[in-house]
Amino acid sequence: EPEVTQTPSHQVTQMGQEVILRCVPISNHLYFYWYRQILGQKVEFLVSFYNNEISEKSEIFDDQFSVERPDGSNFTLKIRSTKLEDSAMYFCASIGLAKNIQYFGAGTRLSVL
Amino acid sequence: DAKTTQPNSMESNEEEPVHLPCNHSTISGTDYIHWYRQLPSQGPEYVIHGLTSNVNNRMASLAIAEDRKSSTLILHRATLRDAAVYYCILRDHGANSKLTFGKGITLSVRP
Repeated sequence: EPEVTQTPSHQVTQMGQEVILRCVPISNHLYFYWYRQILGQKVEFLVSFYNNEISEKSEIFDDQFSVERPDGSNFTLKIRSTKLEDSAMYFCASIGLAKNIQYFGAGTRLSVL
Repeated sequence: DAKTTQPNSMESNEEEPVHLPCNHSTISGTDYIHWYRQLPSQGPEYVIHGLTSNVNNRMASLAIAEDRKSSTLILHRATLRDAAVYYCILRDHGANSKLTFGKGITLSVRP
C-alpha cells in the first residue's frame, strides 16, 4: 500500500540552527500538509500546499517557517532559526483526487537543544 | 471550525465491541464526520467518514444520528492493536480542507 515517507525520523539541532524536514507524499497526490504535535498535546495544523503555493497557514506558521516542493516528489518544511518551543513531532500528510482521506507519515521528531 | 466533544478515555476488553461516542451539535450541512486514530508513537491514521448515512468499512462502522448532532464509532471486536487515541473531526470537503484535531478519546484494551 502506498505511504507517506518522512525523513529523518529524529532530528536533533541546536537552538538558532536551520532544519529541513523532508516528506515524500504518495505519488499521485496533489494536496500536501504539515502538522505538528508537541509532546502530550493536540495535533496542530501548520500549512497546506497545492499547485506550488500555500493554500492556508495557521498562526503558528510564521516567517521562520517555509515549505517547498523542489521536485516532483519531495515536500519540505524548513525552520529557519529553531527555538526550544519548536521541539515536537512534525507530520506530513497528503490527499489524492478523492479529497476525502488524508494519509499521514510516521513523523519526524525534532528536538531543539 | 465546528467543534466535537468526546469523553477523555474508555476501556474495553479484547474481542468485545467498542462504541466510541462523539457529540457535534454545531455541525453544518457541509461538514463530513471523520474519524482518525493515532497509535502510540505513530502518525494519525484514517478510520472512516460519513455524511448522513451509517457507513461500514473493514476497520469499523460509523453510526450517525438522524439529526447529525452526534455519531458513534463502532469497533466490532477490539484487539490489543486498537489501543489508540481516536479523534472525531468535522471536515468540510473543500479540496484543501485541513483537519482540526481535538484531544480525542484514549481507548485502552484489556487482554
